[in-house]
Order: sequence, then C-alpha cells, then structure tokens
Amino acid sequence: QTVVTQEPSFSVSPGGTVTLTCGLSSGSVSTSYYPSWYQQTPGQAPRTLIYSTNIRSSGVPDRFSGSILGNKAALTITGAQADDESDYYCGLYMGSGTPVFGGGTQLTVL
Amino acid sequence: EVRLLESGGGLVQPGGSLRLSCAASGFTFSNFALIWVRQAPGKGLEWVSAISGGGGDTYYADSVKGRFTISRDNSKNTLYLQMNSLRAEDTAMYYCAKDSLSAYYPKSFDYWGQGTLVTVSS
Repeated sequence: QTVVTQEPSFSVSPGGTVTLTCGLSSGSVSTSYYPSWYQQTPGQAPRTLIYSTNIRSSGVPDRFSGSILGNKAALTITGAQADDESDYYCGLYMGSGTPVFGGGTQLTVL
Repeated sequence: EVRLLESGGGLVQPGGSLRLSCAASGFTFSNFALIWVRQAPGKGLEWVSAISGGGGDTYYADSVKGRFTISRDNSKNTLYLQMNSLRAEDTAMYYCAKDSLSAYYPKSFDYWGQGTLVTVSS
C-alpha cells in the first residue's frame, strides 16, 4: 500500500522561507494527484491553503504557494510569521474515489 | 460564504451507533463531492468516506467499510454519516469537507467544518 510521506518536523526563522514536501513511498507525485495542503493549529479544524497543486484557497495570503518539485508536491512559505507555527498536512487523490493524507509536518517558527 | 456545520457526535458504548450530520450553505450543494475525515486525539487526519454530488457513488476507507454508511440529502443540503458497530478506535473528531472542483470524485478540498467529537467508551 502506497504511503504519503511528509517531513515529521521542520523549523524556520521568522521572515525566512521554508518548503515542505509531500511524496509517495512508491512513485512520483504529479498534478494528477491533485495535491492539496492544509494548516491546522491545536484545537482548530483544518484550514485549506492550497488545492489542485497550486490554487490558493480564498483568503490565503500569497506568501503560501504550491508546486511540484521533482517527484514531490511542495508547499513554500515565504516570509514566515510566528502564527505560521502549525501542523501542515498534504492530501493526494489516489484514484478510485480515495483521497489520502500525509502524516503531517509540525512547523516551528523560531 | 461557504459554511459546513457538523452535529451528532457524543459518547457511545462499544458496539453502539451514531449518526453524524453536516449542514451546508453558501454553495450549490449537489455540484460537489463531500467527504468525512476524522482525527483521533493527538493523531493526523484520516479519510473516512466520500460521496459524489448526486449521491450515487460512495467510497469508504477499509477501516470503516461495512460499518459506516455515507449519504446526502440534496434537498436539505445535508451530509450524513451513519456509524454502526462502533469501536474504541473510532474515537475521534469527525470533520466534513467539500471538494474544491469535482461533483464526482473527492480529489482536493477547499472548505471544512468545525468538527464533532465522537467518543466510544464503556
């Protein structure tokens, strides 16, 4: 069974740039997987940042961007702020009506 | 403004049943696939089930297949999840979410509800 992989944790300095990735245990991620990115802070519901690879959800600042980098989907945060400290989950569409989420990346801003 | 509001969660004994609801507004309900996602305490997101815009196609994670049933009433703009034979490992916050583009397949999601908590315990 193919697993969606994410970095368990990442750290970025305030004002810095960070790229989180979303891969597959077997194979490459492409736009056909409709990669999406979700931000979640403790006690809150997930919030969509990016869907269908690079479409920014309503109200999401343009310092969040999505792309395909090599064989993975990527979320880049430019000019990181303190309130970006959250868990970030990616989602991929595996076909046959089945979406799958990665295990999440805990982002620290310090 | 798109809104999704879950309800129906609570404390239930192992082997019991619950029916979750997700009331939607702010978009043409029947034009989008919908999903249920759960999150156990301290854990990540887990997709549970999905349904097409017309309700004719349903999909389930292996962990709930045969125990949970997803449905929707497009006249009431409401999504449901009937959960039977509940187990301790079903304890989680349950979220509904709307697909961003597709009426047919749950590909990627643009709006989420606030969640409803299900606790399975004796």
